Amino acid sequence: DAGITQSPRYKITETGRQVTLMCHQTWSHSYMFWYRQDLGHGLRLIYYSAAADITDKGEVPDGYVVSRSKTENFPLTLESATRSQTSVYFCASRPDRVREQYFGPGTRLTVT
Amino acid sequence: DAKTTQPNSMESNEEEPVHLPCNHSTISGTDYIHWYRQLPSQGPEYVIHGLTSNVNNRMASLAIAEDRKSSTLILHRATLRDAAVYYCILYWVNTDKLIFGTGTRLQVFP
Repeated sequence: DAGITQSPRYKITETGRQVTLMCHQTWSHSYMFWYRQDLGHGLRLIYYSAAADITDKGEVPDGYVVSRSKTENFPLTLESATRSQTSVYFCASRPDRVREQYFGPGTRLTVT
Repeated sequence: DAKTTQPNSMESNEEEPVHLPCNHSTISGTDYIHWYRQLPSQGPEYVIHGLTSNVNNRMASLAIAEDRKSSTLILHRATLRDAAVYYCILYWVNTDKLIFGTGTRLQVFP
């Protein structure tokens, strides 16, 4: 039972490059979320999705793009990475009618 | 979104009870109180949630004040594995957003 996985776990990229972080869940949960975590902050919501082909912005969406063509996948793309996007990124999911979210292990992204 | 206030850090000895406080004076009637914890180098993990009544599960207990302006997460016997950052979050039923604060870092000493 893999649950929710993220790849890559670690990534170093250069300013201006496009980067895609992958999130995959095996539970068929309706809802999926992307958060970022920076020192001194709790987690901040970037984007979320209530179902395939339905996405919405969170607190800090600027500079990010998401898509959800399949229920189990929710990739997050940084179209032109900036140093301020250096962070740890967490993906989460939850089933419909349940409020608890289940988080992945995170991706540590460094933009140089 | 309503906010929560937690102490930055707390300490406990192993096998002792731990009471983690949270103030949420601006809570509305439809806000659920959720607790998550984050162990080092891991994603957050759901602990417990409640609306008005006290709640118990295998991980912890949640005590909610009668006026709902504060709550306390209770770990009945702390273990070294309970060392983590604990987040108290208000979750409005009509949104799907967890608004994390900075949480309480719990240290557990043997």
